[in-house]
Amino acid sequence: QLQLQESGPGLVKPSETLFLTCTVSGGSIHSSSYDWGWIRQPPGKGLEWIGSVYSSGSTYYNSSLKSRVTISVDTSKNQLSLKLSSVTAADTAVYFCARTGILCSSGCFDYWGQGTLVTVSS
Amino acid sequence: DIQMTQSPSTLSASVGDRVTFTCRASQSISSWLAWYQQTPGKAPKVLIYKASSLQSGVPSRFSGSGSGTEFTLTISSLQPDDFATYYCQQYDSFPWTFGQGTKVEIK
Repeated sequence: QLQLQESGPGLVKPSETLFLTCTVSGGSIHSSSYDWGWIRQPPGKGLEWIGSVYSSGSTYYNSSLKSRVTISVDTSKNQLSLKLSSVTAADTAVYFCARTGILCSSGCFDYWGQGTLVTVSS
Repeated sequence: DIQMTQSPSTLSASVGDRVTFTCRASQSISSWLAWYQQTPGKAPKVLIYKASSLQSGVPSRFSGSGSGTEFTLTISSLQPDDFATYYCQQYDSFPWTFGQGTKVEIK
């Protein structure tokens, strides 16, 4: 059974860089059949796609965050990572990692982590 | 960016009711639409992909339809586990975008 688990600091200071990891178990992150993404949800609000990394090596980011975000895969650790720089209070959210693949035409997400709350505050 | 608009924002219904809600895209997305269910404190769960394909393991009371710019999600007979918030998501063009959600409440 595939499982995704996000981890990282729950509190980040304004202007600093947020770094999260997502550990994949029960399957390989290095598969041509699957791709991976990050989605976030501010408290009490809706979902926002942050970006995705594809098995081809390509990455795509939400234009609203593009200059601040980096998503990468570490196949040796079976991990997905998210780096978001120059954070502000508007980046306070629950951050989810998720899998997409052939069924979803690499666009929708069929497996999700439980999410991790990141609060930006001094 | 493609804007996704869901209606209504909140829907009050009873167990056994047939409920339908709508998702509209600001431009054509063909059938590249997914529906998710989210309960408080949990991750979203995909119910429908490619507008009308039922995800494995999802009860058959859920169905999706539509193409182009207008889509619907129908629950044929609302069950207690179905009281949740439902989101649509387009994956026709980057950036992928979600609707603002429809919350299904107990009447």
